Amino acid sequence: EADIYQTPRYLVIGTGKKITLECSQTMGHDKMYWYQQDPGMELHLIHYSYGVNSTEKGDLSSESTVSRIRTEHFPLTLESARPSHTSQYLCASSDQRASSYNEQFFGPGTRLTVL
Amino acid sequence: KNEVEQSPQNLTAQEGEFITINCSYSVGISALHWLQQHPGGGIVSLFMLSSGKKKHGRLIATINIQEKHSSLHITASHPRDSAVYICAGDQGGSEKLVFGKGTKLTVNP
Repeated sequence: EADIYQTPRYLVIGTGKKITLECSQTMGHDKMYWYQQDPGMELHLIHYSYGVNSTEKGDLSSESTVSRIRTEHFPLTLESARPSHTSQYLCASSDQRASSYNEQFFGPGTRLTVL
Repeated sequence: KNEVEQSPQNLTAQEGEFITINCSYSVGISALHWLQQHPGGGIVSLFMLSSGKKKHGRLIATINIQEKHSSLHITASHPRDSAVYICAGDQGGSEKLVFGKGTKLTVNP
């Protein structure tokens, strides 16, 4: 069972609020990812990190920002939430050192609703 | 551009039926991941395979490298198998995964 956690699981918030979605993993994985997924739609990579102090934007443009100050922690922040940010956000991690392939372990997701 | 195509998009079966979900991928993808996403949203990795066949319980995954095709089979399907099944192409190295659009499976009792 994967040890990757996301909080909160559900968040309903008003427009203009600043929010931070937390993601932590206890597996010592070097790579971490944030995906955005609308209901019934595919996963879209919005941010990823290859290690501490490394962050990159993904394939889908996002107004969110991320940081990677510690290996185990990869929070995502929205400075000013808007209804268009309503979606599910999934965090994942992988250990590139263990394999040449990219098996990812996913957190349970945060379902964000912005009113 | 590396791509992954899944079929069918939706699949409804009766309990006990044998189920097959297909995934085709383009050049540059050297392994396939099969993922399961339940209605609650969480995603579980089922298989990762770069050749041959893997089996776990009632689930079997196969890959044909020459044809660039992978299948996920579920034997003796059960309503608890109802979920979205996603195949993801792995380009190896430090490249990102390439996700298919998913197959929504509904197994009726």
